[in-house]
Amino acid sequence: GENVEQHPSTLSVQEGDSAVIKCTYSDSASNYFPWYKQELGKRPQLIIDIRSNVGEKKDQRIAVTLNKTAKHFSLHITETQPEDSAVYFCAQYNNNDMRFGAGTRLTVKP
Amino acid sequence: DAGITQSPRHKVTETGTPVTLRCHQTENHRYMYWYRQDPGHGLRLIHYSYGVKDTDKGEVSDGYSVSRSKTEDFLLTLESATSSQTSVYFCAITGTAYGYTFGSGTRLTVV
Repeated sequence: GENVEQHPSTLSVQEGDSAVIKCTYSDSASNYFPWYKQELGKRPQLIIDIRSNVGEKKDQRIAVTLNKTAKHFSLHITETQPEDSAVYFCAQYNNNDMRFGAGTRLTVKP
Repeated sequence: DAGITQSPRHKVTETGTPVTLRCHQTENHRYMYWYRQDPGHGLRLIHYSYGVKDTDKGEVSDGYSVSRSKTEDFLLTLESATSSQTSVYFCAITGTAYGYTFGSGTRLTVV
């Protein structure tokens, strides 16, 4: 398996602004790309995911885009709220091997 | 809750002692995983299981062993704990090999 690079490692935005987190992968056979949110002291929780045959997926204020040619995918959060503050992890999956990015600590300032 | 529990939640142990962490699920899911979480590294796979008595190594398996004698239980054992194994350990389950559900984690400190 191969790893995922995630940027930025920390992100601070003002409430109401948008936040974008980007991940780059190298395993071209990866076919599933989830995003997890982890609040302080809690378990990671799946917030959105995308399969390799889809370019974009949206769920209310969050969206994920996938560019298979460039091997990168991004999480977009619009109209951020203080409760969006957490660590976000991207991941790539292929053949029972889920590889996670190092995480992005998002802080939303009221 | 999420149908997955880990025990213990916290443990402090001495270097060189054996330690076993337990993951228990009530979802009857086929796949179970053990990850460790360390600052700057995200979540790294230690071992996983795809059925009773069927296990395989992950990215960081050295120093760890696992067993799965029942569908609902997946045990992680550190045969001789070292300080480098101080970490937060998460178990995860899935029925389809996608969309993992994580347990609440075990914070292990090796002194």
